[in-house]
Amino acid sequence: QPVLTQSSSASASLGSSVKLTCTLSSGHSTYIIAWHQQQPGKAPRYLMRVGNGGGYTKGSGVPDRFSGSSSGADRYLTISNLQSEDEADYYCETWDTNTRVFGGGAKLTVL
Amino acid sequence: EVQLVESGGGLIQPGGSLRLSCVASGFTVSGNYMSWVRQAPGKGLEWVSVIYSDDTTYHTDSVKGRFTISRDNSKNTLYLQMNSLRAEDTAVYFCARDREVAGPGWYYYYVDVWGKGTSVTVSS
Repeated sequence: QPVLTQSSSASASLGSSVKLTCTLSSGHSTYIIAWHQQQPGKAPRYLMRVGNGGGYTKGSGVPDRFSGSSSGADRYLTISNLQSEDEADYYCETWDTNTRVFGGGAKLTVL
Repeated sequence: EVQLVESGGGLIQPGGSLRLSCVASGFTVSGNYMSWVRQAPGKGLEWVSVIYSDDTTYHTDSVKGRFTISRDNSKNTLYLQMNSLRAEDTAVYFCARDREVAGPGWYYYYVDVWGKGTSVTVSS
């Protein structure tokens, strides 16, 4: 079963960019992952899926400021031109046979 | 509009039972893999259960034998029957739709629609 590792927190200034990382465990480096955003007090929201080739597919209504990429076992979520509403928890998710796995989440603070 | 609306949460004593419901709109639960995901207070997301379109079900180890996922296609509704509840089951429970992405010889699933959640508190 894959394990997804995320840094617990990140911070960046309003208007700047930030890159969040989700690392797949050994033996699972080709897996597709999904990124989800959870604003304070709200339900999660699907942002995009990211494949091992770096391609990504966003959900409906996700701003152009959000993009995905990949390198080896790492899957990235980049947010450009940070806005105050981007302050949230971000989770990555993947699938293995008959189970789903979530990363521990990363809390993004917009300064 | 694609939407999921959960209900049925509440305060329940340890050892008690509760049934959560999730009404779908804008799509059919019968044609999709559907999951329950929970989030304990101040913690991250934890997958709980999944039901496939052929009615096959799977549960995370900590709830096996206690929780059952099911659906009523006529009501376009997903359920989670929770028995023998424990304090550690206290969480917000989210209903979710799984999306498939597939290629030559491979396929993956991921959540692409979330409900707003229903809160379950297990306490005496």
